Amino acid sequence: QVQLVQSGAEVKKPGASVKVSCKASGYTFTRYYIHWVRQAPGQGLEWMGIINPSGGSTSYAQKFQGRVTMTRDTSTSTVYMELSSLRSEDTAVYYCARSGGNSGSTLDYWGQGTLVTVSS
Amino acid sequence: QSALTQPASVSGSPGQSITISCTGTSSDVGGYNYVSWYQQHPGKAPKLMIYEVSTRPPGVSNRFSGSKSGNTASLTISGLQAEDEADYYCSSYTSSSTLVVFGGGTKLTVL
Repeated sequence: QVQLVQSGAEVKKPGASVKVSCKASGYTFTRYYIHWVRQAPGQGLEWMGIINPSGGSTSYAQKFQGRVTMTRDTSTSTVYMELSSLRSEDTAVYYCARSGGNSGSTLDYWGQGTLVTVSS
Repeated sequence: QSALTQPASVSGSPGQSITISCTGTSSDVGGYNYVSWYQQHPGKAPKLMIYEVSTRPPGVSNRFSGSKSGNTASLTISGLQAEDEADYYCSSYTSSSTLVVFGGGTKLTVL
């Protein structure tokens, strides 16, 4: 069965960086893009970007351009999302999700989420 | 402010039907048949309920259905059950540089 397992909760100080991992299993890793989506406390979902695990190409939401980097390791079927220059507004649960359907915009399987808390 | 507009809340009694709307523009909802709906229970990850406007993934109850007219998509839940109480989010492919846009979410209360 398809599973996306994310790394554990993080607490960071403002200005620091955080790197969240997402390990995929149950399907061919390189055949499906992976999205990253975040959700601030009590708020809605916000799309951050997408990575092609096959070639490593990425596309980021304009809001995060210059601060986010998505990478992958095909040997371990893992994708990573690194967010730098953290501020309090980045406190959120970060999700990875597999891209399904015909458009690439369907998120058919989700990780369990990783809480990132930014606090001095 | 979210790119897609949803009502903040809806409610219904067990057994009734409810509909949640999701309004966008011709650059997203109206321009493509790539609208998805997600259910999220408190403290849990979102779950895909409908994709490509009206397609249910395997295992999703046929009480959930989707449709679209112009720039507005809709999710209908029939035969409401207590377990349907959750937040629901729509999303759409968009031709802008942001590949995916979400609605602000709708809290469904089963009375």
